[in-house]
Amino acid sequence: GNSVTQMEGPVTLSEEAFLTINCTYTATGYPSLFWYVQYPGEGLQLLLKATKADDKGSNKGFEATYRKETTSFHLEKGSVQVSDSAVYFCALSSRTGANSKLTFGKGITLSVRP
Amino acid sequence: DTGVSQDPRHKITKRGQNVTFRCDPISEHNRLYWYRQTLGQGPEFLTYFQNEAQLEKSRLLSDRFSAERPKGSFSTLEIQRTEQGDSAMYLCASSSWRGRGYNEQFFGPGTRLTVL
Repeated sequence: GNSVTQMEGPVTLSEEAFLTINCTYTATGYPSLFWYVQYPGEGLQLLLKATKADDKGSNKGFEATYRKETTSFHLEKGSVQVSDSAVYFCALSSRTGANSKLTFGKGITLSVRP
Repeated sequence: DTGVSQDPRHKITKRGQNVTFRCDPISEHNRLYWYRQTLGQGPEFLTYFQNEAQLEKSRLLSDRFSAERPKGSFSTLEIQRTEQGDSAMYLCASSSWRGRGYNEQFFGPGTRLTVL
C-alpha cells in the first residue's frame, strides 16, 4: 500500500537558516505529492503540491521537487522566519483510484528561534 | 467564514458512551472526508463521501463507527461504546471533485475527543 516517510524531528533552527525536511514515499502508479502545514491552534493547510515527476511546487518561499527516481519530495526554504514555526506533513494521493484520499507522513515540528 | 467547520471542537466522554461529531463542508463541495489523527502521527483516512454516497471505508473504521451524509451537505460521525483508544483528533475535509485529477482538500479545525 501507499506510505510516506518523513525525517525524525523536531527541528530547531535560527531565523534566516536554510531548511530541508526530507520526505520519501512508496506508492503504486504516479501519485500526486503534497506538503501540508499546521500552524499552532489552526487546521491543516495545503502549502504546496506537485502532480507529476519533475514538477516543482512552491509557495511562501518553500519549494519541493517531485523526484520519481528517488521517490522523494523534500521541502526546502532558503531563509526561515519565526512565523514558519509549525508542524509540516508530507502526503500523497494515489492516481490509481478516484477517491483522492490522502496518505500522510508522521509530521515534523519546526521551531524557528529569533 | 466559508471554510469547513466542525462541532464540537472538544469532547470529553466516559468509556462506553456514544459520541457524535458534525462536519459542515464548504458550500457546494461534493466530496467530504473524515480522518483521524493521534498524538505524534499524521492524519489517517477513515472514510469519504461523494454527495450522499459513502464510497470507501478504511479498515480503521470498526463496526462501532458510523458516518452519514444524508443530504449530501453536512456529515456526522458517530462512535458507539467509546474506548480509550478512540481518543484522537477527528478531522473533516471537503473538496470539489470534477471527475478527473486532484482537487484540493480543505480541512476543518478538528474535533478533539478524549475518552476517560
